[in-house]
Amino acid sequence: SQQGEEDPQALSIQEGENATMNCSYKTSINNLQWYRQNSGRGLVHLILIRSNEREKHSGRLRVTLDTSKKSSSLLITASRAADTASYFCATDRDSGYALNFGKGTSLLVTP
Amino acid sequence: GAVVSQHPSWVICKSGTSVKIECRSLDFQATTMFWYRQFPKQSLMLMATSNEGSKATYEQGVEKDKFLINHASLTLSTLTVTSAHPEDSSFYICSDHRGWADTQYFGPGTRLTVL
Repeated sequence: SQQGEEDPQALSIQEGENATMNCSYKTSINNLQWYRQNSGRGLVHLILIRSNEREKHSGRLRVTLDTSKKSSSLLITASRAADTASYFCATDRDSGYALNFGKGTSLLVTP
Repeated sequence: GAVVSQHPSWVICKSGTSVKIECRSLDFQATTMFWYRQFPKQSLMLMATSNEGSKATYEQGVEKDKFLINHASLTLSTLTVTSAHPEDSSFYICSDHRGWADTQYFGPGTRLTVL
């Protein structure tokens, strides 16, 4: 079943601005991941944060995790037009290694 | 470079026909692969877990007789949409699980359009 909920559903910003996307989930997790999907393409893994971590950085990406609130945020700093894509959070499931995906945030970065 | 491939990348078929989609793990022997489905402007929903050498595990609501999964080798899983109907039109994405990592590697997806 779908676990995560992202907001906003859509975000439009200009190049150079920061983009923040949020994700909430329902049950306990071992880790939470963020993926990017360009239109009509597969998913690209961006970053994974474990349940015992609160913040993680990777290049222009910053992810936070608040397990007490069951929420995570993805910050993209100094956005570029190439960052235009849909972003999904994904959590591990109760059993197995498949993922539960959120509904996604569609990000548009205009030059 | 890509570590999971899918073929075909897109396919158009007539209603009632069957379509086979291949998912290959290019650099890893994957005992477990996953099939997801994504409708337009929606998220990915897990359809089934493909297990090498054994039966696939289907999610609730996914008809196993309609979506046939075969994982005959460690590098190849196939999804066959049997007697396809327009409502089966969707984006099908596979991924593989690598034991040492919690991340998954996704294929580029297959766009299925059933007329």
